[in-house]
Amino acid sequence: GENVEQHPSTLSVQEGDSAVIKCTYSDSASNYFPWYKQELGKRPQLIIDIRSNVGEKKDQRIAVTLNKTAKHFSLHITETQPEDSAVYFCAPRGFNKFYFGSGTKLNVKP
Amino acid sequence: DTGVSQDPRHKITKRGQNVTFRCDPISEHNRLYWYRQTLGQGPEFLTYFQNEAQLEKSRLLSDRFSAERPKGSFSTLEIQRTEQGDSAMYLCASSAPGGPQSNEQFFGPGTRLTVL
Repeated sequence: GENVEQHPSTLSVQEGDSAVIKCTYSDSASNYFPWYKQELGKRPQLIIDIRSNVGEKKDQRIAVTLNKTAKHFSLHITETQPEDSAVYFCAPRGFNKFYFGSGTKLNVKP
Repeated sequence: DTGVSQDPRHKITKRGQNVTFRCDPISEHNRLYWYRQTLGQGPEFLTYFQNEAQLEKSRLLSDRFSAERPKGSFSTLEIQRTEQGDSAMYLCASSAPGGPQSNEQFFGPGTRLTVL
């Protein structure tokens, strides 16, 4: 099956700084690369995604970059705010299933 | 509420008992997924339905687990002879048929299972 790794596992930044989370995967057939945000006690929610025919996608303060050759994609959050504090999961899609990473706990200090 | 719903939200059971969870996806969504999430981990894929057909099942899933989606709408997940290691949050997600929007999964609130 797919081997998915996220780094770092925890990340602490000062409000206003940028945060970058990297996800590596092993399945070369993966063609869809989403990032989910999960706040404590709540369900995962999609925040941004990218398809394999695109290298970068941006939505306001959030961006995702994809390097299919190297099999990794990254989440970039700029101008972080305390409400960005949560656990973030990458979940590259293989055939008929999504493989979630183990998560990155982001703490944005005011 | 037109989102994904799950029932019950919490379930406490004794080891060895059987439990059944229900998921109601968003009405026009034909794709349905079940996941299990333990504390500090990402959701772990269990099984996938497209309409009523179960197209994928995790090899990690023991024979004690079974899922159905008889009419292609709601789904049930049953765990027989529960063990303490089954304690987790069980999440259901659905996505729309075809096109780019079919990739986005919408998660339900989950059923938290505690096996004593």
